[in-house]
Amino acid sequence: DAGVIQSPRHEVTEMGQEVTLRCKPISGHDYLFWYRQTMMRGLELLIYFNNNVPIDDSGMPEDRFSAKMPNASFSTLKIQPSEPRDSAVYFCASSSPQVYEQYFGPGTRLTVT
Amino acid sequence: SQKIEQNSEALNIQEGKTATLTCNYTNYSPAYLQWYRQDPGRGPVFLLLIRENEKEKRKERLKVTFDTTLKQSLFHITASQPADSATYLCALGANSGGYQKVTFGIGTKLQVIP
Repeated sequence: DAGVIQSPRHEVTEMGQEVTLRCKPISGHDYLFWYRQTMMRGLELLIYFNNNVPIDDSGMPEDRFSAKMPNASFSTLKIQPSEPRDSAVYFCASSSPQVYEQYFGPGTRLTVT
Repeated sequence: SQKIEQNSEALNIQEGKTATLTCNYTNYSPAYLQWYRQDPGRGPVFLLLIRENEKEKRKERLKVTFDTTLKQSLFHITASQPADSATYLCALGANSGGYQKVTFGIGTKLQVIP
C-alpha cells in the first residue's frame, strides 16, 4: 500500500480564495482524521470520520471550514474563504478500529497571503 | 480543560546517553497513550502504544512508562544516536461514544549530538 496520500503538497493562495485539500486513506482503514499543525498550537484535530460518517467536528475552527468523505477512499477539507491565519500544515491520517495507531500522510503546507 | 504538557524546549543529549522525554496531562482519563516521531517536513510516525492498565512497554531501544496516578508518561531512548534526532509527540487516546479520539501534545524536539 502506498500509505496515506495527500494533495497538493504545497498550496499558496490569496486571502479570500477557496482552498481544497485532498486525502486518500489507506485501504481498509475505517477512521480518517484531519489535523492542522502550527508551531504555536501543535497538532490539532479538526474533524474525524468513521465509515465515511463525520463523528466529531468540534475542532473545526469556524464555518469557513468544511470536510466531506463521499466514499471510503477519498476525503476533502475545504476552506472558503481562506485567511492568512489559516496558514499551517494540514495532515490527514487514517487508522483501523482494531489498532489505534494512526498513519499520517505527508501533509499539505498551506500559505495564505 | 484538558491539557497535555511536553518539554516545550528542545532536549540536547550526547550520543550514547539515554534520552528521557516527559508527557504530563491534566483533566483527562486516557484509555491509552501513544508516542510518535516526526521529522521535519513529514507526518508523524507511530512508535509505541501503552494502555492504561500497563506500566511499561519496550521496543528495541525504546521504553515507555505510564503512571495514571501521576498522570505522566516517560519516553526513553537508550544508547541514543544522531539518527534519533527528531520531534517526539505524545498522544492521549480515549473512547468517546464508542469511537476512538486522540489528542496530541505539542512535542519535544530531541537533538542527539555526536
